[in-house]
Amino acid sequence: EIVLTQSPGTLSLSPGERATLSCRASQSVSSSYLAWYQQKPGQAPRLLIYGASSRATGIPDRFSGSGSGTDFTLTISRLEPEDFAVYYCQQYGSSPRTFGPGTKVDIK
Amino acid sequence: EVQLVESGGGLVQPGGSLRLSCAASGFTFSSYWMSWVRQAPGKGLEWVANIKQDGSEKYYVDSVKGRFTISRDNAKNSLYLQMNSLRAEDTAVYYCAREGKYCSSTSCYLDYWGQGTLVTVSS
Repeated sequence: EIVLTQSPGTLSLSPGERATLSCRASQSVSSSYLAWYQQKPGQAPRLLIYGASSRATGIPDRFSGSGSGTDFTLTISRLEPEDFAVYYCQQYGSSPRTFGPGTKVDIK
Repeated sequence: EVQLVESGGGLVQPGGSLRLSCAASGFTFSSYWMSWVRQAPGKGLEWVANIKQDGSEKYYVDSVKGRFTISRDNAKNSLYLQMNSLRAEDTAVYYCAREGKYCSSTSCYLDYWGQGTLVTVSS
């Protein structure tokens, strides 16, 4: 089973700042089968990125994904008030699919 | 608009059973793999089970094998999760989710999620 580690655990930033979130895998994720989700309190997760770098339908272009192998990054270029949330990465290159523990982006 | 609406959650005693349902609309349900994912209170996400379009293939996380059964009724656009021999550690919000289009040979991302239904296992 591939274990995903996300860092930092919490990121405290101000609106307008750039956020860089890391997801590291215990083994290489084949073909960059990595996704990112956003979850706000009391809501379901929402898909942001799949295939490491492809934005899902309706996702603003301030969200971007990059990386390959074992190291992946989600970047939010300029934080909007609605972007403060928890972000999860998920690998689907091997079974079982696994999720990272999440990074909370909160307001500084 | 894709919509997934779960129901059937509630309080159940350890060892008991519960059946969750998910009503799908806004897309051709019979064309997609579907999954259940759970989230324990204050914790992260855990994939539970998935099922192929025609129900011919089903997969489970090890911790629920032999206790949970996923099924679907394409005529009713509905997904189900039968949960037996429930344990305290099964307490979670259970989400129904649609699997994406661009998947690996073994797994996929989840492109639409329902709002979830809470299952509490406690005496």
